[in-house]
Amino acid sequence: AQSVTQPDIHITVSEGASLELRCNYSYGATPYLFWYVQSPGQGLQLLLKYFSGDTLVQGIKGFEAEFKRSQSSFNLRKPSVHWSDAAEYFCAVGGGLLGGSNYKLTFGKGTLLTVNP
Amino acid sequence: DVKVTQSSRYLVKRTGEKVFLECVQDMDHENMFWYRQDPGLGLRLIYFSYDVKMKEKGDIPEGYSVSREKKERFSLILESASTNQTSMYLCASSALEGPGAEQYFGPGTRLTVT
Repeated sequence: AQSVTQPDIHITVSEGASLELRCNYSYGATPYLFWYVQSPGQGLQLLLKYFSGDTLVQGIKGFEAEFKRSQSSFNLRKPSVHWSDAAEYFCAVGGGLLGGSNYKLTFGKGTLLTVNP
Repeated sequence: DVKVTQSSRYLVKRTGEKVFLECVQDMDHENMFWYRQDPGLGLRLIYFSYDVKMKEKGDIPEGYSVSREKKERFSLILESASTNQTSMYLCASSALEGPGAEQYFGPGTRLTVT
């Protein structure tokens, strides 16, 4: 069964500083990997996803993530954080068969990002 | 833009009440999902539907049922609400099959059972 670990429950950075959120996954085949963001009081929004090809993927809002198969990692990065980036971030892996030939998303437990002015 | 709406943002119910949470999507998606979100536990799949009247149990279906009579609408039912069902409930939908299917989420319903 697939699993996702986000080692950091809460991270605080200063506005303008760089950011890296860690994600480790466990999946037997080629993983389909996602990062979602949840702003306060909102649902989840997709930031980026990786299926294959270039291991550095670009997403919305200036975020990028790098897939490293040897480390089973898919870390999210941003070079300069803005106050509006304060939110909870979820890493997810696609896999595990559901009905109708569909697959489930397995989410990590999330990392809460606080941005100091 | 895909829009997934949920009938209530906040809901307060009493123990033993029957509770209906409604979700509607406007993009003709085949797949719809109900998740429960709790602090420190992330999102856990309750039920999933891949077609009208078709449903599958997720990881934590106990105490819940679902209904999908129309393609755009997916309802989560708590037959007899209990305090341990106090949580945030998120609905999602997706168009594509396969492990790469992106899910689109509604804003969530924060349910409190007293």
